[in-house]
Amino acid sequence: DQQVKQNSPSLSVQEGRISILNCDYTNSMFDYFLWYKKYPAEGPTFLISISSIKDKNEDGRFTVFLNKSAKHLSLHIVPSQPGDSAVYFCAASEETSGSRLTFGEGTQLTVNP
Amino acid sequence: DTGVSQDPRHKITKRGQNVTFRCDPISEHNRLYWYRQTLGQGPEFLTYFQNEAQLEKSRLLSDRFSAERPKGSFSTLEIQRTEQGDSAMYLCASSLAARRYTGELFFGEGSRLTVL
Repeated sequence: DQQVKQNSPSLSVQEGRISILNCDYTNSMFDYFLWYKKYPAEGPTFLISISSIKDKNEDGRFTVFLNKSAKHLSLHIVPSQPGDSAVYFCAASEETSGSRLTFGEGTQLTVNP
Repeated sequence: DTGVSQDPRHKITKRGQNVTFRCDPISEHNRLYWYRQTLGQGPEFLTYFQNEAQLEKSRLLSDRFSAERPKGSFSTLEIQRTEQGDSAMYLCASSLAARRYTGELFFGEGSRLTVL
């Protein structure tokens, strides 16, 4: 079963506009949620995370929102830049699982100049 | 510190051969993970170690797969009698089990396996 799901395989936005990437999960035991970015031929790199006790975390142009009742999180990038073009993975973990991450399928973001 | 390094970066082999991948984690990290990623999918958990102890294995890790971390530093992932379905990117990651839990893992660039 797919416990973390990203329903949009791709997203295209104009430079300077907002990018919104979405993620849904089913396991209510998840207590940490993370976003990773991946460029071709590289491993995923950590972008931003949020604990389940919070509903928002912001780091510069990146903001993650968590809606626990809906089991939904989103990543907002504003303003979007061409260098943000990459695959974005949503991931979730339970602290008791030793930081094992469960990933979504990924969303390819393309930011057009 | 150079981050997590994996070797080889790309391996092409014939079906039925054995392959071994090596991962060197960030030096002070005591947790090490192996993931597998296929085209169009996110990384899937295979197994993880805390120091030299293998604490969890996924059902994806068939008996043809074996992972070791003999001295709690580098790790190897061996696949015996490779099948075409084993073709994937094998990712290694490490982390430090710390009091302040963050869930963040540091990934290497991966080892791509192609089974002909």
